[in-house]
Amino acid sequence: EPEVTQTPSHQVTQMGQEVILRCVPISNHLYFYWYRQILGQKVEFLVSFYNNEISEKSEIFDDQFSVERPDGSNFTLKIRSTKLEDSAMYFCASDGTRGTGELFFGEGSRLTVL
Amino acid sequence: QKEVEQNSGPLSVPEGAIASLNCTYSDRVSQSFFWYRQYSGKSPELIMSIYSNGDKEDGRFTAQLNKASQYVSLLIRDSQPSDSATYLCAVRYGQNFVFGPGTRLSVLP
Repeated sequence: EPEVTQTPSHQVTQMGQEVILRCVPISNHLYFYWYRQILGQKVEFLVSFYNNEISEKSEIFDDQFSVERPDGSNFTLKIRSTKLEDSAMYFCASDGTRGTGELFFGEGSRLTVL
Repeated sequence: QKEVEQNSGPLSVPEGAIASLNCTYSDRVSQSFFWYRQYSGKSPELIMSIYSNGDKEDGRFTAQLNKASQYVSLLIRDSQPSDSATYLCAVRYGQNFVFGPGTRLSVLP
């Protein structure tokens, strides 16, 4: 069964460092998303991406964050100058060719900022 | 402000019973509604989507939508211990999906 894969599964970084989280969406999907979930809290939307550009972003997704699809398969989330409060599980999700909204999530990347 | 509300639980039901999970949303513009299941430490997994008023059944799961009341529910029949998880209601606003805080369900053997 096709799946969304994410790497790394866990990353520990020092405050102020940059991190890149990587995702390989399901191959024929066209809509991609990043969400985050702080421990014990709800899943929060960060950004959606379609046709090689951001389609929507939340208030959380400020200049500290960026996304790109560098090679037609990977979908990356870059977090510059990490802060303690960036510690969370980051989920990548993809949606099919019709954008029905039925999201397939990866297993997540846990980011710990020290 | 687009809000999705759920009772946090925990909701405890005995094995074999019906579990009823509820969700309300704030924005009448919404047209697409989803239920996800999240096991502890895992990612959300889609259970059902519903777009029209009424009921939609899939196996042991029934989603119910009432747009006039801005209310979505999920019924789980013949609950099993393996159904113990957090159930997330999600509402679509364009290409933004707003998730509720989730209801933790515990099915007791």
